[in-house]
Amino acid sequence: NAGVTQTPKFQVLKTGQSMTLQCAQDMNHEYMSWYRQDPGMGLRLIHYSVGAGITDQGEVPNGYNVSRSTTEDFPLRLLSAAPSQTSVYFCASRKTGMNTEAFFGQGTRLTVV
Amino acid sequence: AQSVTQLGSHVSVSEGALVLLRCNYSSSVPPYLFWYVQYPNQGLQLLLKYTSAATLVKGINGFEAEFKKSETSFHLTKPSAHMSDAAEYFCAVSGTGANNLFFGTGTRLTVIP
Repeated sequence: NAGVTQTPKFQVLKTGQSMTLQCAQDMNHEYMSWYRQDPGMGLRLIHYSVGAGITDQGEVPNGYNVSRSTTEDFPLRLLSAAPSQTSVYFCASRKTGMNTEAFFGQGTRLTVV
Repeated sequence: AQSVTQLGSHVSVSEGALVLLRCNYSSSVPPYLFWYVQYPNQGLQLLLKYTSAATLVKGINGFEAEFKKSETSFHLTKPSAHMSDAAEYFCAVSGTGANNLFFGTGTRLTVIP
């Protein structure tokens, strides 16, 4: 089983550039989410989706866009990259239910210069 | 609103010594609590979870955690540290809303030979 697959693993962007971080899961999970991880701040929720066609904002949504056209895919778009978006990004998926385990991708390390 | 607080961003223990990583939660409803581990340059993986079935929860790699409602705590312990336990550990909570997991700021565990 592939689980949750994120691409790319590393990316360097110039300020103002745009890009899409890809996330795909093969576990048929309804719920998917994006987090960013910064030193001393843990993981903060950017956007999430409870099913195809449904997305919502998390704690730190500014500067990011998401869509969910299929159950499997949940891409994260940076519209105009800023140095403050330098971070490690993780995609996660869960079955519906408060007590279910979240499965994480390997992360994307993004540097904005 | 739900949140978790992890006391101590860095913990060092000697190999063979007791590991104690602290987590306190805040929740207006009975919480579901999780501990995740992150090894260097990897995603997060589940160590254990509390879902109200039992207050003492056993996880993988010899870790366990005890839910104490009176203290709003869910501390992670392991009787004897191993070099392979060196990693970052995150406490997380879910329990209301759209299935979202909220993470603490993490504790980096160093094991001294």
